[in-house]
Amino acid sequence: AQSVTQLDSQVPVFEEAPVELRCNYSSSVSVYLFWYVQYPNQGLQLLLKYLSGSTLVKGINGFEAEFNKSQTSFHLRKPSVHISDTAEYFCAVSLTGANNLFFGTGTRLTVIP
Amino acid sequence: DAEITQSPRHKITETGRQVTLACHQTWNHNNMFWYRQDLGHGLRLIHYSYGVQDTNKGEVSDGYSVSRSNTEDLPLTLESAASSQTSVYFCASSEGTLYEQYFGPGTRLTVT
Repeated sequence: AQSVTQLDSQVPVFEEAPVELRCNYSSSVSVYLFWYVQYPNQGLQLLLKYLSGSTLVKGINGFEAEFNKSQTSFHLRKPSVHISDTAEYFCAVSLTGANNLFFGTGTRLTVIP
Repeated sequence: DAEITQSPRHKITETGRQVTLACHQTWNHNNMFWYRQDLGHGLRLIHYSYGVQDTNKGEVSDGYSVSRSNTEDLPLTLESAASSQTSVYFCASSEGTLYEQYFGPGTRLTVT
């Protein structure tokens, strides 16, 4: 069975500092990987996804993530955060050929002025 | 613009009552999903559908049912609401695996 672990439930960071949100997954088969963002009182929006090819994936709002197969990780990074990045971030995995997503428990990013 | 909507946005009901949450999408997507979001659990899949007349159970389907009579709608029914079903419910739709899931704004359900 597949599962997703987001080790950090909360990450506070100062404005304009870099941030990394960690995501590890477990699966015995090939997977697709996603990062979603949820702003307060809203649904989820896709930030980026890894399907195949280059292991470095760039998404919206200056975020990027790197797929590391040997470490089964898909960490999300941004070199300089803004106040507007304050939100909940979810890592998700789906099996290749399947339509269902399995979500991690989320990381709440708080950007401090 | 295509969208996915949920109604109601907020609902308070009593234990034992039947409740139906609506989800409507105008993307013309075949795949639709229902999740619940709880603190410490992230989003968990309740039911999903790959097309009209198709429904499947997800990770936490007990006490919930869905039906798919057309492409646009996937209503979620709580047969007999329980306090453990107090949660925020999200509906989503997608074209398929390679494509993102589009989420609705959510329904906050409180069972008293």
